[in-house]
Formats: sequence, structure tokens, C-alpha cells
Amino acid sequence: NAGVMQNPRHLVRRRGQEARLRCSPMKGHSHVYWYRQLPEEGLKFMVYLQKENIIDESGMPKERFSAEFPKEGPSILRIQQVVRGDSAAYFCASSPWEGSYGYTFGSGTRLTVV
Amino acid sequence: QKEVEQNSGPLSVPEGAIASLNCTYSDRGSQSFFWYRQYSGKSPELIMSIYSNGDKEDGRFTAQLNKASQYVSLLIRDSQPSDSATYLCAVSGGADGLTFGKGTHLIIQP
Repeated sequence: NAGVMQNPRHLVRRRGQEARLRCSPMKGHSHVYWYRQLPEEGLKFMVYLQKENIIDESGMPKERFSAEFPKEGPSILRIQQVVRGDSAAYFCASSPWEGSYGYTFGSGTRLTVV
Repeated sequence: QKEVEQNSGPLSVPEGAIASLNCTYSDRGSQSFFWYRQYSGKSPELIMSIYSNGDKEDGRFTAQLNKASQYVSLLIRDSQPSDSATYLCAVSGGADGLTFGKGTHLIIQP
């Protein structure tokens, strides 16, 4: 049973480009959480999704950021018109049920904006 | 605004000694408490969870929770060099995401 899979592991984008980060939850998990970790900072909650629904996006920046978790396929975190301040590690976690029970994180995507 | 506070360290502990990591949180409604270990450049790894007041032991790790004082701690017995990492305290109030502290950098000196 594979763990939470994230790709790509590393992503380099020029300012103004779009970044797409993918997260495949563990088998049987229908709840996905995205977090961002800036250098020397703790993890910050961004968004919580269930299949085809955004449950809580209170941690998402109001502009340029969006997330989806379609019926089929991985969850996608999309960042439009990236800026240098978007450079960070983005982690995804999944859970089989609602609520935070100490879920497992994927290996993360390290985004560098140049 | 929910907050979780940790001393950033570094906390230096001799090999074989007990490492004590502390965390305070602001939201009295918090229900679930977690400790994650994160090695440099890696993802956080869950090492302990605790939901009720008191102590919870798992191998060399003991988590302690005091909801009245809004305080969570992690004790690592017989510290090993491989325990050197950043330890993140996380708190949850329910269905929302976890609120993390910035972490304590622990160094185990051989």
C-alpha cells in the first residue's frame, strides 16, 4: 500500500509562470490536506478537500491559488503567476475520515521561483 | 487566531540523556495533539499523538498533555544521535487542519 504520493519532487518556475502540484492520497483515503512550509517557518494549513468538494480553504491566499480533488485522479494545487515569495515546500496529507488524527504526509514538492 | 508556541532552540542534549520538548497552544477548544519529527529536507513524520490529559508512552517517547495549562510536552529517553531533528508540535480542534508550531531544533551530542 503506497503512501501519499506527490509529484514533482522539485519544481522550478520563472516568475509569472504557473505551477501545478499533484497529490495522490493513500488508497482508500478521500480526504486531502495541503500545507505550505516557508524557509525557517512551521507548516501552514492551506486547504482541506474531499472528493469533488473544497471543505475548508481558510488558509489559501485569496488570489492566484486554487485547489481541486476530482472524482478521478490526484488532487491538484495550482499557483498562477508565481512570485518569488511562493518558493516553499508544499506538503500534502490524506486521511480516510474527517478530522485530524495525525495523518501521514507525502514527501512534498519543493517549488523554487526564479 | 490559533497559535502554537515552541522554543526554536537549538536544544542540545548529550547522547543517552532525556530530551524535553515543550509546546503551548492558545485555543482552549483544541482536542487533538501531535508531535512530528522532521529531518532537514524531508517531510514531517508523526511520532506521537495524545488526546486526553496525562502521559502517553511509546517506546522511548512520552507525550504529556495538560489541557488546563494548555501545555504539551515530548520526552525522549536515552537520546540517540539519530533523534537530532526538528520537532513540530501540532494541535487540532476538529475537522479543520492542524495548527503547527515553528518547531524545536534538537541536537543530540555524541
